Amino acid sequence: DTAVSQTPKYLVTQMGNDKSIKCEQNLGHDTMYWYKQDSKKFLKIMFSYNNKELIINETVPNRFSPKSPDKAHLNLHINSLELGDSAVYFCASSSRTSAAGELFFGEGSRLTVL
Amino acid sequence: EDKVVQSPLSLVVHEGDTVTLNCSYEVTNFRSLLWYKQEKKAPTFLFMLTSSGIEKKSGRLSSILDKKELSSILNITATQTGDSAIYLCAVDRQGAQKLVFGQGTRLTINP
Repeated sequence: DTAVSQTPKYLVTQMGNDKSIKCEQNLGHDTMYWYKQDSKKFLKIMFSYNNKELIINETVPNRFSPKSPDKAHLNLHINSLELGDSAVYFCASSSRTSAAGELFFGEGSRLTVL
Repeated sequence: EDKVVQSPLSLVVHEGDTVTLNCSYEVTNFRSLLWYKQEKKAPTFLFMLTSSGIEKKSGRLSSILDKKELSSILNITATQTGDSAIYLCAVDRQGAQKLVFGQGTRLTINP
């Protein structure tokens, strides 16, 4: 069983479109994250949710809107896609609410904006 | 702003060599430092270090934290081609609820 699963794994789309990435974890963790990894492999946090509540929003453009329907799911919707949004988006979860601790990552969703 | 810097950015060695990867950090209220290995897809956890001077070991990999120097090293002995990956260092600080990552070291092991 995959602990943190993301769909889709690959997304190719045109500039200006809207797209969503879904994430689910079956680890029973309270905290979930979205990280963005650019072409230089630099991983940067975007959002963090704890028990469906937004904890961290790291100066991400408001075209990006996360949604957590329950603590096992964290989805990411992106409006009006731009070329610079091309990256790999990783979902992750952790078990300690007061510390990031050990993160469990999904396999990533590679977004290419043409 | 919290900062994590890894060196070298890229390293190519031959199978059997020993390598040392470096990570330095500037962070207020430091809690822990973590190492991850990223092959083709998801980063996978290697070590979490919280105390200075205590070596963590897993097979041919080991790591140690130096809080005085604000740094950590990751050693890999008798490298194998399967060790080829990007090695990521990250720090966690009190109350931050997030990890701040370095830019990674791309390690290539040639047969």
